[in-house]
Amino acid sequence: ELKVEQNPLFLSMQEGKNYTIYCNYSTTSDRLYWYRQDPGKSLESLFVLLSNGAVKQEGRLMASLDTKARLSTLHITAAVHDLSATYFCAGHGGSQGNLIFGKGTKLSVKP
Amino acid sequence: DVKVTQSSRYLVKRTGEKVFLECVQDMDHENMFWYRQDPGLGLRLIYFSYDVKMKEKGDIPEGYSVSREKKERFSLILESASTNQTSMYLCASSNREGAPTDTQYFGPGTRLTVL
Repeated sequence: ELKVEQNPLFLSMQEGKNYTIYCNYSTTSDRLYWYRQDPGKSLESLFVLLSNGAVKQEGRLMASLDTKARLSTLHITAAVHDLSATYFCAGHGGSQGNLIFGKGTKLSVKP
Repeated sequence: DVKVTQSSRYLVKRTGEKVFLECVQDMDHENMFWYRQDPGLGLRLIYFSYDVKMKEKGDIPEGYSVSREKKERFSLILESASTNQTSMYLCASSNREGAPTDTQYFGPGTRLTVL
């Protein structure tokens, strides 16, 4: 069964800096998802990566997928406070093909 | 926009009570899911359903049951609530697996406290 590991689990950044969140997964997953969760709120879909080499960008966030390395990254460019949230990656691979989520990366952007 | 709604945002129940959590989606999605989210444990799948009257156990089904009588509605039932079921419960829906867009869309969550 698929296992998904994110790192770091906690990330404190200064505004204006760049950083990358890593998502490693243990077996083949045909697609990889990134979600954002604000404190006390539900999960919001950010990106779906469908194939090797896929790259998607939205504002200051860019996600990429390397299926050979079983690695997805979420890169943050010039962080701003509004990006403070918990970010989850997920892949297909449960016993019924359902999504398996990583434990999440809690991002805190400080002025 | 996909809309997934849950019957309550906050719920407080007593040990032994029967608890119903309801979820409704308005996008004609085939798949519906119930997760619980706990600090340090991430999201864990309780049950899911690929069709009306169909249900499959997820990773932590013990102490829970589900009902899907209509396509748009998926209910989670705690037959006899216990304190270790205090958690945030999230419902999600999606198109069938493998569809071009099978992203899961989540409801706002229900924070359940069992005293």
